[in-house]
Amino acid sequence: AQKITQTQPGMFVQEKEAVTLDCTYDTSDPSYGLFWYKQPSSGEMIFLIYQGSYDQQNATEGRYSLNFQKARKSANLVISASQLGDSAMYFCAMRDSPGGGADGLTFGKGTHLIIQP
Amino acid sequence: DAGVTQSPTHLIKTRGQQVTLRCSPKSGHDTVSWYQQALGQGPQFIFQYYEEEERQRGNFPDRFSGHQFPNYSSELNVNALLLGDSALYLCASSPGGVGILHYGYTFGSGTRLTVV
Repeated sequence: AQKITQTQPGMFVQEKEAVTLDCTYDTSDPSYGLFWYKQPSSGEMIFLIYQGSYDQQNATEGRYSLNFQKARKSANLVISASQLGDSAMYFCAMRDSPGGGADGLTFGKGTHLIIQP
Repeated sequence: DAGVTQSPTHLIKTRGQQVTLRCSPKSGHDTVSWYQQALGQGPQFIFQYYEEEERQRGNFPDRFSGHQFPNYSSELNVNALLLGDSALYLCASSPGGVGILHYGYTFGSGTRLTVV
């Protein structure tokens, strides 16, 4: 069963607009972490933001915020005031501990975001 | 402070050959994970090394093997290469420890392997 689902293969957004990238996840473990990464054409995965399953507040990092809806198993990334440099692939990922100590990340298929001037 | 360093950046191999990819983790990190990213897909977890031992493995055949050295650097070896092994191979490092969920990984820029 797919554990991370990103339903938007591609998005076009006007510069300076806010954008929401969708992510739903599936896990039976009560303890898990959710991550968003940005991957420009250079290939490097750049960490953007983290949300823990027990965190009471939504995570924020500068222009990035995470809309965490635990009951719906949703962890959408919101980018405010988008910039041309935000154009890239964006991946949602999860780390859970089904057996304790399992640290591999499970990634979604990604969303290709293109910011238009 | 150097991040994660991977070498080589690009590689072309023939079917049936063997390849070794290398990774130096970020300073202060002792855990190394390897991921395979096929074109147009998200990365898939291959395995993770901690204290020179394979701690966790994803759904990859035994043709994929690895090693971690005392200085925490790591190698990924792939034997009997198939055309389907063509992908971007990403190395990620993190601080060690079991169950520390909030530590994110630092990724390298990857090695792009083409099998012909």
